[in-house]
Amino acid sequence: SQKIEQNSEALNIQEGKTATLTCNYTNYSPAYLQWYRQDPGRGPVFLLLIRENEKEKRKERLKVTFDTTLKQSLFHITASQPADSATYLCALDLDTGRRALTFGSGTRLQVQP
Amino acid sequence: DTEVTQTPKHLVMGMTNKKSLKCEQHMGHRAMYWYKQKAKKPPELMFVYSYEKLSINESVPSRFSPECPNSSLLNLHLHALQPEDSALYLCASSQDGTPSSYNEQFFGPGTRLTVL
Repeated sequence: SQKIEQNSEALNIQEGKTATLTCNYTNYSPAYLQWYRQDPGRGPVFLLLIRENEKEKRKERLKVTFDTTLKQSLFHITASQPADSATYLCALDLDTGRRALTFGSGTRLQVQP
Repeated sequence: DTEVTQTPKHLVMGMTNKKSLKCEQHMGHRAMYWYKQKAKKPPELMFVYSYEKLSINESVPSRFSPECPNSSLLNLHLHALQPEDSALYLCASSQDGTPSSYNEQFFGPGTRLTVL
């Protein structure tokens, strides 16, 4: 069955460091992968989308990579700030025709000042 | 207007009550979604509407009944819920309702539902 795993439930880093979050998937070759941010009690907010033919995508301090051979996406936040503390979710459309996202379990990032 | 609104923010209901959750977007999006999210878990898809037609029902119990009156509105009617249905219910929309398209989803703030 399809499975999406995010490497750790929680990640603590110091302000100014780079946070790296991992999303692994099995048994599927998605056409794209998305990353969302979710703050407690709020809905997820879209951050980045990367297509299968893109190795890397950047947006300000965010960088996403997509390795379809390893079936893995890495999400980096450079020069992290306490305001970056949130849960980060990766999401795939497991069946392109359905337009339905399946979310990974999320990684709760805590940036210490 | 680039947001999805949901009402109410909080809802407490008994197992015999009938209530409705409402969702609205004015971005011209043609796909709308309902998700259920339990604490410390990811959102789980319940229903997808594409061009106001139900296109996906993820085997959701019939005590949850979705409705899409028009392209801007999405309702979720609740009846005879169980305590385990207590969760954050999220509505989302995306621009393109055509199959085989990638889609960025815009989420509302959610309705926190408690079933007593």
